[in-house]
Amino acid sequence: KAGVTQTPRYLIKTRGQQVTLSCSPISGHRSVSWYQQTPGQGLQFLFEYFSETQRNKGNFPGRFSGRQFSNSRSEMNVSTLELGDSALYLCASSSSQGETQYFGPGTRLLVL
Amino acid sequence: GQNIDQPTEMTATEGAIVQINCTYQTSGFNGLFWYQQHAGEAPTFLSYNVLDGLEEKGRFSSFLSRSKGYSYLLLKELQMKDSASYLCAVSLPLSGYALNFGKGTSLLVTP
Repeated sequence: KAGVTQTPRYLIKTRGQQVTLSCSPISGHRSVSWYQQTPGQGLQFLFEYFSETQRNKGNFPGRFSGRQFSNSRSEMNVSTLELGDSALYLCASSSSQGETQYFGPGTRLLVL
Repeated sequence: GQNIDQPTEMTATEGAIVQINCTYQTSGFNGLFWYQQHAGEAPTFLSYNVLDGLEEKGRFSSFLSRSKGYSYLLLKELQMKDSASYLCAVSLPLSGYALNFGKGTSLLVTP
């Protein structure tokens, strides 16, 4: 089975721009979670989608949003980028809520 | 709220055994996960504990005590490739089973 894939792998943006990141879960997995990883804060939960519905949201501003499609693929969007948004964005999929999450390679975002 | 603590750094010698501890104080608890993350790579799943006791998987074992809010990851017969960050994460049902991670323990294995 193919693992979780994320595109793009690297991105450079400037402050004020917006960005969309994509995640394709493991085949058959319906739950997709997004995390932000920075050296200072570690891994922090952004949100989780299941069957096209956002079920949980972490403590991030409304500039961070996401969605899930009928094929379980998910996108996250960050609007009005700030320097502090520079991070590794990781997507993880699981067969259902509470099950083991498997991570993709991540998208490394640099905001200049 | 939740508080998950693990040592920042550890060093051990190739062939030795190392124990990485994780303590947590959380509102509700579903299970505890350990992940390994090499520099520049994604976290990879190592183990999952939901009941008290020891789970063994090859060179890696993980222990959980729910009453004490304590877990450890035991790595035996250390290899150079085990140099990585080890992340402890707690699954919280009140947060929809989102994973709450500790800051990670950076393990360096020396010859």
